[in-house]
Amino acid sequence: AQKITQTQPGMFVQEKEAVTLDCTYDTSDQSYGLFWYKQPSSGEMIFLIYQGSYDEQNATEGRYSLNFQKARKSANLVISASQLGDSAMYFCAMREVDSSYKLIFGSGTRLLVRP
Amino acid sequence: NAGVTQTPKFRVLKTGQSMTLLCAQDMNHEYMYWYRQDPGMGLRLIHYSVGEGTTAKGEVPDGYNVSRLKKQNFLLGLESAAPSQTSVYFCASSQQIFNQPQHFGDGTRLSIL
Repeated sequence: AQKITQTQPGMFVQEKEAVTLDCTYDTSDQSYGLFWYKQPSSGEMIFLIYQGSYDEQNATEGRYSLNFQKARKSANLVISASQLGDSAMYFCAMREVDSSYKLIFGSGTRLLVRP
Repeated sequence: NAGVTQTPKFRVLKTGQSMTLLCAQDMNHEYMYWYRQDPGMGLRLIHYSVGEGTTAKGEVPDGYNVSRLKKQNFLLGLESAAPSQTSVYFCASSQQIFNQPQHFGDGTRLSIL
């Protein structure tokens, strides 16, 4: 079973509007972390935001925020006031508690911002 | 301010050839990882290391070997390249702190003919 599911292969958003990228996860652990990364067309992986399973508040970083719904096992990324530079692939990833600290990635969502 | 550096950035191999991808980090991170990225599949973990002299298998280890002789370096080897190993390879490193992200290199685009 997939541990991280991103159901939107591609999305469009109008410049200056907000957009939500979906991420659901599957784990039996009580303690885990969720990460979002951005991959522009140049290829590098850029860390955006982190949410811990015990964090009581939704994480925010500038124009990025997480809509974390633990009971639904979802951690959706919200980008406010979209900019042309937000056009990229976005990956959701989960870290479970084990000795490796590895990340399990979803398949990604390609976001295109229209001017 | 280098972070994680991958060498080379691009490479074309013929089936059956061998090569080594080098990853170097200057952040004194304990943990290092090798991923491959294929279209529509996100990043999949090949091998990882939790410290100098240690390595372990990830999700897709077959056909690859790794070594971590020095803390700052993590090498990924392909002994006999196959077309199925055509991919973009990413190296990452992280601190031993749960809420800290992995830091990625810029990737190596490898084509095997």
